[in-house]
Order: sequence, then structure tokens, then C-alpha cells
Amino acid sequence: GAVVSQHPSRVICKSGTSVKIECRSLDFQATTMFWYRQFPKQSLMLMATSNEGSKATYEQGVEKDKFLINHASLTLSTLTVTSAHPEDSSFYICSARDHMEGTSAKNIQYFGAGTRLSVL
Amino acid sequence: DAKTTQPNSMESNEEEPVHLPCNHSTISGTDYIHWYRQLPSQGPEYVIHGLTSNVNNRMASLAIAEDRKSSTLILHRATLRDAAVYYCILRDVWFDGGSQGNLIFGKGTKLSVKP
Repeated sequence: GAVVSQHPSRVICKSGTSVKIECRSLDFQATTMFWYRQFPKQSLMLMATSNEGSKATYEQGVEKDKFLINHASLTLSTLTVTSAHPEDSSFYICSARDHMEGTSAKNIQYFGAGTRLSVL
Repeated sequence: DAKTTQPNSMESNEEEPVHLPCNHSTISGTDYIHWYRQLPSQGPEYVIHGLTSNVNNRMASLAIAEDRKSSTLILHRATLRDAAVYYCILRDVWFDGGSQGNLIFGKGTKLSVKP
């Protein structure tokens, strides 16, 4: 199956610093990627939809100035957590669909392994 | 997308079959039934999906009720590596424009496998 690579897998940073997370589709092109956040013992919550060459679409309650998303190519999307604080500590997961499959509901969504962010 | 209901947790013995149920009584005719699973500290992975007919792949089987209001994910021989949270998700064939058909995760079923 298709592979989505997410880097780094774990990051520890000081409060106030910014952290960038990369998400790459390794063997397919993705016009759309998704960013999720998961707190301990909870389910995944969609943060934003990343569109290649255009602005991301953020879910209600997600601060777009704090979580900067860039989708500069068909294989790379980045999430930057700006001025991170301890409450931003979470498991961040990216996901992508193969755009050659179109917008069919049959589409499989491929996920990265996740990035565990700890803000001290 | 219509809502699904799954048991919070289930237990299984290793090498025995596991039947994970999912109720989706408000499913529409254009909803596909998707199953994903999430192993501890990892991102979710695709398991199987179907529309009306039962489906089989190398990971599992999906049995869909005739009225499509429920489905069952079947792991034929559970292994310790199958211990994960299993999510049953409905996806409408007609995506809404805003979220472009992303998967909406519920709480899923946490499967424990005993040796």
C-alpha cells in the first residue's frame, strides 16, 4: 500500500518555540492532506485540510495563526506549531489520499506514523 | 456522514476469530463502510471497506447486513499484533466541499488479545 512518511516521530521543545512537522507521500501524489490531533485516550480530531497550492481549511476552534500549514507540492505538507505551549502537547497525525483515485468515497486514506510533541 | 456505534472494548484469545460489530442505523444508500485500526502510538491504518456485499482481503473480512444497518469486521485468527483500536467509519460518496471527505473518527473499539 501507499506510504505516508511523517517526521519527526517525537519532539520535545521549550515553551515559546516553534516546531515544524513534515508529512510526505512517498509513492503517490496527494492534492489534499489532512492534519489530525489526538490527546491521550481520545480519538483523532481533524484540525485542518491542507490543499496543494492554496490555503488550508481549518476546523472550528483551531487557530490558523498558531497552526501554520503549507502544502507546497503534491508530496509534501508541513504543520508548524508556533509559540508552542504545554497545552499543545499532543500526538499529531497527517493523512493523505492518492489524487489519482479522484474524490470517490471508496478512497483509502493513508496515515503517517504520527509525531508526539511534548512542550516543556 | 452518518454516525456509527461500536462497543468500547472487546477481548479475544490469540488464534481465535474475532467479530467486531458496528451499528449504523442511519446509513444512507451512498455511504461506504470503512474500517481502520490504530495500533498503540501509531497512526491509523486501513483495514477494509465495502458498500453492500461482503468483502475479504488479506487482513480481514467485512460482513454487511442485508439492510446495511450494521456490519461486522472479522479477524479470522487474532494475533497479539492485532491488539488495537478499531474504527468503523461511514463515508458518503458525495463529499462535502469543506472537509473534502476526510475521515471522521469516533471512539472505536479497543481490542485486547490474550496469549
